[in-house]
Amino acid sequence: NAGVTQTPKFQVLKTGQSMTLQCAQDMNHEYMSWYRQDPGMGLRLIHYSVGAGITDQGEVPNGYNVSRSTTEDFPLRLLSAAPSQTSVYFCASSTLGASTEAFFGQGTRLTVV
Amino acid sequence: KQEVTQIPAALSVPEGENLVLNCSFTDSAIYNLQWFRQDPGKGLTSLLLIQSSQREQTSGRLNASLDKSSGRSTLYIAASQPGDSATYLCAVNQGGKLIFGQGTELSVKP
Repeated sequence: NAGVTQTPKFQVLKTGQSMTLQCAQDMNHEYMSWYRQDPGMGLRLIHYSVGAGITDQGEVPNGYNVSRSTTEDFPLRLLSAAPSQTSVYFCASSTLGASTEAFFGQGTRLTVV
Repeated sequence: KQEVTQIPAALSVPEGENLVLNCSFTDSAIYNLQWFRQDPGKGLTSLLLIQSSQREQTSGRLNASLDKSSGRSTLYIAASQPGDSATYLCAVNQGGKLIFGQGTELSVKP
């Protein structure tokens, strides 16, 4: 029962470096999304995808890129990391439709110095 | 724009008490509402999902209600235990996107 798997769990980056946060799900869910969680701000939607080849922006997309080449994977790319991107990142997946329940990964704690 | 508010932000109770956590939202056009639990440094665990057409859902000692017309949901925890200590988050689903409240941090004292 893997569910939603995120890697890595922890990462420290220097300002300007790039990296990719990985997210994979084994439930054949069409919908996948990325959130960031910051103290006092709650969880905010970064990007989402309703299926392979389709992505769209959420509430806070600047500084992040995504792609969805397969149903299972939805990586999040930071092209040039900034200290403001220090956060905990969560990936979620669900089926499409009104009755869907969202499942979350365990998170990636990212620090940009 | 949908806004979700959770009150109180923090709550401390003695073991055995029944308690209610509140969640309010400004736009009633939602697919469903989901309650999550988050332990420190961990991910989100889904507790209960209430569809927009439902009034309540129950799982063990947990009962969640939904009043869409007034924009309110409550999570009732019966006979609280120290293991219930965690942050509880509610999220409304609009078109597949989840909009979260900021959570209620619950501490249950032995």
